[in-house]
Amino acid sequence: GENVEQHPSTLSVQEGDSAVIKCTYSDSASNYFPWYKQELGKGPQLIIDIRSNVGEKKDQRIAVTLNKTAKHFSLHITETQPEDSAVYFCAARSPGSSGSRLTFGEGTQLTVNP
Amino acid sequence: EPEVTQTPSHQVTQMGQEVILRCVPISNHLYFYWYRQILGQKVEFLVSFYNNEISEKSEIFDDQFSVERPDGSNFTLKIRSTKLEDSAMYFCASSIAGASYEQYFGPGTRLTVT
Repeated sequence: GENVEQHPSTLSVQEGDSAVIKCTYSDSASNYFPWYKQELGKGPQLIIDIRSNVGEKKDQRIAVTLNKTAKHFSLHITETQPEDSAVYFCAARSPGSSGSRLTFGEGTQLTVNP
Repeated sequence: EPEVTQTPSHQVTQMGQEVILRCVPISNHLYFYWYRQILGQKVEFLVSFYNNEISEKSEIFDDQFSVERPDGSNFTLKIRSTKLEDSAMYFCASSIAGASYEQYFGPGTRLTVT
C-alpha cells in the first residue's frame, strides 16, 4: 500500500520568514495530495490540495508543488504569521478498491515565533 | 459554512465495554469516513462508507468495529469490546463524492479506554 513520509517533524521560523515542509510517497499511481492544518484540540482542516495533472498550485501565502517523477510534494508558506503555528499533515490518495483512502504523513509541528 | 460535527468530544470507557461514536457529516455529502489518531502518531484510515455499505476498510478495522448510517443525518462507529489500544482520537470525515473530491474532517472524539 501507499506510504507517505514527511519531514521535518518540527520546524521553527521567525515571523515573516518562509516555511517549507516536504513529503514523499511510494505509490506512483497516487493522484491526489491534500495538506491539512491541525490546531490543538481540533480536527484536521484542509488548507490546499493538488492533483497529479498539475505541478503547482497557489492560494495567497500558501503554495504546493508536486514532482511526480521523484514522487514528492511540498508545502510552502510565505510571510509566516504566529497564527500559522500548528501541526501540518500531508496526505496522498491512491486508487484502491474505492480510491478514497487517504494515507497521511507523520506531521510537522510548525512554530512561528513573533 | 457547513461542517462535520462529532459527539461526544471525549468518551471514557472501561476495557471490554461497547462504545458508539457519532458524526453528522456535511448535509449534501455522500461519502463518509472514519480515521483515528493515536497520541503522537499519524492519522490512520479506518473505513469508508457509501450508499449504505462499506466501500473500503483498513487492516485496523477488524470484527470489533462496525459502522452504520442509522438515519439520514448520522454516521456512527461502534467498537464492540474496547481494548486499551483503542484509546485514540477518532475523526469522522465526509466528501461530496468519492475518489476525486476533498475530505472534510470533524473535530474528533477523544476515546480513553481504562
